[in-house]
Amino acid sequence: DVVLTQSPLSLPVTLGQPASISCTSSQSLVYSDGNTYLNWFQQRPGQSPRRLIYEVSKRDSGVPDRFSGSGSVTDFTLKISRVEAEDVGVYYCMQGLHWPITFGQGTRLEIK
Amino acid sequence: EVQLVQSGAEVKKPGESLKISCKGSGYSFTSYWIGWVRQMPGKGLEWMGIIYPGDSDTRYSPSFQGQVTMSADKSISTAYLQWSSLKASDPAMYYCARHAGGFNPFDYWGQGTLVTVSS
Repeated sequence: DVVLTQSPLSLPVTLGQPASISCTSSQSLVYSDGNTYLNWFQQRPGQSPRRLIYEVSKRDSGVPDRFSGSGSVTDFTLKISRVEAEDVGVYYCMQGLHWPITFGQGTRLEIK
Repeated sequence: EVQLVQSGAEVKKPGESLKISCKGSGYSFTSYWIGWVRQMPGKGLEWMGIIYPGDSDTRYSPSFQGQVTMSADKSISTAYLQWSSLKASDPAMYYCARHAGGFNPFDYWGQGTLVTVSS
């Protein structure tokens, strides 16, 4: 199975400051079509997960532009340019290219 | 508006059977896969498998193969996840999510069904 390793696992951030989460894959997430299939999800407390980013850097509809994704092959990053109170929750990277689908272990973002 | 509405919380005893549901609306239910994701208390997300309601083609994660059964009734736009005999290790929140096919799954999620197993 593809292992996705996130860091840090806990991320205290001051409101208005940037935040960055890393996700490293044990295998390349580049497909033969040239695209790279890495997704990011947000799970706010008590809520269902919500997809934020697909194919490394494409934002889903309704996702604020303070969220951005970057990276390539096996190393990826989710960045929040200025953290807001509503960003508190757990963030997961996920790959859908190799079966079985796997998630990272999650990064808990909290307000300092 | 795309919606996935799951059945309510369940409290069962070990060894009992259970079937939970996920009803889709606002899109062509038979044109998208439905995936199931487990979240054990205080833990992360685990992919269980997917089903294509159009023809009931089903793919299970090896970790869940033989442990659960996925099914769908396309006439009522509903997917199901069932256990024949619940174990003490089955308590969790179970989410259904839409999978468009390809490699970018889970663009829409249900609200989750909490399963409690207690003697």
